[in-house]
Amino acid sequence: DTGVSQNPRHKITKRGQNVTFRCDPISEHNRLYWYRQTLGQGPEFLTYFQNEAQLEKSRLLSDRFSAERPKGSFSTLEIQRTEQGDSAMYLCASSPYLGQGSHGNTIYFGEGSWLTVV
Amino acid sequence: SQKIEQNSEALNIQEGKTATLTCNYTNYSPAYLQWYRQDPGRGPVFLLLIRENEKEKRKERLKVTFDTTLKQSLFHITASQPADSATYLCALETTDSWGKLQFGAGTQVVVTP
Repeated sequence: DTGVSQNPRHKITKRGQNVTFRCDPISEHNRLYWYRQTLGQGPEFLTYFQNEAQLEKSRLLSDRFSAERPKGSFSTLEIQRTEQGDSAMYLCASSPYLGQGSHGNTIYFGEGSWLTVV
Repeated sequence: SQKIEQNSEALNIQEGKTATLTCNYTNYSPAYLQWYRQDPGRGPVFLLLIRENEKEKRKERLKVTFDTTLKQSLFHITASQPADSATYLCALETTDSWGKLQFGAGTQVVVTP
């Protein structure tokens, strides 16, 4: 399967614990995105990478959230000191980027990682 | 403030009929508008993209229109089938937010036999 892969698919954690989600994008895609989706809402953009560079992180919900893509391949999203309000589905997506002026690319989403904070 | 609005009420439709969904936006100047399908517990799946200078796009039984004057996109599913039952999301990409989609909350479609 060459789609976007996310692990784990489901995570239940106690409030105050740290959690980490992994995303493996489609191999030839150099852009990688993280979104969050809560029940009844559309996905909300969090951050994105072009290769290993994190191009925007201002939308990360708080300083408890951080993301990395150390070698420009897989990415991790970490949430420290989880709170009940962090319960949501965390979606990873990837797309190609062919240089300046290439926009409107199809973005391919993974199946998401569900987080429940109890 | 910026808003993307989709019908929050589920659209119930009989098999074979055409489903029409709306996506209205305010305080955006989108360069692209995309429609996605999302099944329960799954990630969104891309369906169609339409550019600001395009009026209409078709793909099989799907049709999208884009009216930048009305600030509205319509999404049509013709000859609907029960397998079309899902939530449909519209998403905007603007020139100052390249690569970052802004999504509406989605509209659920239920097609009954």
